[in-house]
Amino acid sequence: NAGVTQTPKFQVLKTGQSMTLQCAQDMNHEYMSWYRQDPGMGLRLIHYSVGAGITDQGEVPNGYNVSRSTTEDFPLRLLSAAPSQTSVYFCASSWGLNPRGGYTQYFGPGTRLTVL
Amino acid sequence: GENVEQHPSTLSVQEGDSAVIKCTYSDSASNYFPWYKQELGKGPQLIIDIRSNVGEKKDQRIAVTLNKTAKHFSLHITETQPEDSAVYFCAASEIGGGNEKLTFGTGTRLTIIP
Repeated sequence: NAGVTQTPKFQVLKTGQSMTLQCAQDMNHEYMSWYRQDPGMGLRLIHYSVGAGITDQGEVPNGYNVSRSTTEDFPLRLLSAAPSQTSVYFCASSWGLNPRGGYTQYFGPGTRLTVL
Repeated sequence: GENVEQHPSTLSVQEGDSAVIKCTYSDSASNYFPWYKQELGKGPQLIIDIRSNVGEKKDQRIAVTLNKTAKHFSLHITETQPEDSAVYFCAASEIGGGNEKLTFGTGTRLTIIP
């Protein structure tokens, strides 16, 4: 199993540009989420999904959109990038409420995004 | 919503000594408390977790304790080794409440001095 994969690893954008951060998992996990990591602020939840077709907002959703058309994929879209979105972005997946799988969240390797 | 505070933000210990990282949480409904380790350039990885129905859990050199009354939990690493150097995050969540959102602390950078 590849686990959780994220692309790209690095990205530089200009203010106002749009892009999509890709996330995929091959563990058949129901629950997927996106976090951003900023110095001194830990990991903050952006959006999450409890299954295909279902998404919800986290702590810092403004400026980001998500969709979940398949169990495997959970892309994060930046519609109009701003310097405040410079961060490291992590995607994670887990069994969610399925007790047989436990509650461990598996994180991808991250995408480092710089917005100029 | 839940708020998790973590201390200290940085910690340096001599190799072989013990390290302790402490977290407090605000929501009494939280019942699941994982700890994640993040090595440089990588995503966080679960190292140990505890449910609210137990007070302590051990896994070799790592242990976590939970005080529900005081709403705090701690990570203890004994006989520290250079490979323990990393950033550690605590987190809290309410399992079974229909909401599995994890709220993370701000992280502790642990440095093991050889």
